Amino acid sequence: QSALTQPASVSGSPGQSITISCTGSTSDIGFYNYVSWYQHHPGKAPKLMIYDVTRRPSGVSNRFSGSKSGNTASLTISGLQADDEADYYCSSFTSGSTPAAFGGGTTLTVL
Amino acid sequence: EVQLVESGGVVVQPGGSLRLSCAASGFTFADYTMHWVRQAPGKGLEWVSLISWDGGNTFYADSVKGRFTISRDNSKNSLYLQMTSLRTEDTALYHCAKDFDSSSFDAFDIWGQGTMVIVSS
Repeated sequence: QSALTQPASVSGSPGQSITISCTGSTSDIGFYNYVSWYQHHPGKAPKLMIYDVTRRPSGVSNRFSGSKSGNTASLTISGLQADDEADYYCSSFTSGSTPAAFGGGTTLTVL
Repeated sequence: EVQLVESGGVVVQPGGSLRLSCAASGFTFADYTMHWVRQAPGKGLEWVSLISWDGGNTFYADSVKGRFTISRDNSKNSLYLQMTSLRTEDTALYHCAKDFDSSSFDAFDIWGQGTMVIVSS
């Protein structure tokens, strides 16, 4: 069971916007600003899309944005494209003996 | 080009041991925390272990604590994962990943393609 909770799946049509949530606790998302998001196409290495809650690495489209409210972080993808279809994982720094946690992953389907 | 290349994955019997390696290039390896992350077939990503830039701090997931040991050789730009007392549930694709940070965890900004470990009799 993952420490962070994501919906199993989301879907949207090309051009639309979708949001993926990631719910944690005051021991991780609620206290620390080390939330990151990863795009994972099957058979490829995961790709960092958002880090430190809202920051985009160089080369990542500005269609991807991150936010946080309380214990829940969110990834929003605007102007959906076919290539956005992938699995998305959130991650956060956590207090305690295990400093990193992932969400269970969300499969994005572009209709 | 910034690159991480894992090796060492094989089929091993339950209770066996294995050492994974990760060769880094294209960045100053000694400056960053490094991680191992795994993905079991049909499952999501699971963080396994991290080691700080100088090897002074190491952390492990509860599922591998006491069985796995992470280490690094900065002179060889290499990361390792010594795996012992392997269980069938350790079957997974093992990725090494670079962190933005030097001593703890921030985000995994560079990933390798992974090496497959299968624990089966």
